[in-house]
Amino acid sequence: SYELTQPPSVSVSPGQTARITCSGDALPKQYAYWYQQKPGQAPVLVIYKDSERPSGIPERFSGSSSGTTVTLTISGVQAEDEADYYCQSADSSGTYVFGGGTKLTVL
Amino acid sequence: EVQLVQSGAEVKKPGESLKISCKGSGYSFTSYWIGWVRQMPGKGLEWMGIIYPGDSDTRYSPSFQGQVTISADKSISTAYLQWSSLKASDTAMYYCARRDGYNYGLDYWGQGTLVTVSS
Repeated sequence: SYELTQPPSVSVSPGQTARITCSGDALPKQYAYWYQQKPGQAPVLVIYKDSERPSGIPERFSGSSSGTTVTLTISGVQAEDEADYYCQSADSSGTYVFGGGTKLTVL
Repeated sequence: EVQLVQSGAEVKKPGESLKISCKGSGYSFTSYWIGWVRQMPGKGLEWMGIIYPGDSDTRYSPSFQGQVTISADKSISTAYLQWSSLKASDTAMYYCARRDGYNYGLDYWGQGTLVTVSS
């Protein structure tokens, strides 16, 4: 299997833009997915197939892909966006992998 | 409404066996893969494996192969994760999650089952 690498933490002031990256050699060939997890809660899918947003997820959440890196962008960050964010992908055999997670702090 | 409801918290001793459950409702249980994810205290998400209840096709993460068994009973729309001999290092929150029908995303999650293994 392969690995996905995320920065451990990202900090941003309210109203600013947060960008969380995820790097992995297989990402040019496989889609990435992003999850938000708040303390004491189950993860929630916020982006699928690199850049698609599930229904009910605010428009300020977006995703992009470039080469071996995918990026979750949160525009106009709000206090409620403070959470852990995980990227996830899968290899051709259907084996899933998660990134190590990024703690987003809203200053 | 799609729901995955997991069984309650467990406290076990090392060496004991355990089977936790995840009951799906609000959708065709046999048509979607169900995955299991471990989260150790204060740590990140780890994919354990996945099962297709329609035919019980099961895939395991190499890290968990041989350590746990994933199964499903489609007659009662329930997936299971079981251990034959627990270790203290199995202490964690365990989540089940449904794989989206069209991609590898996990679109619905259970509430989690906390397993504590302590002597």
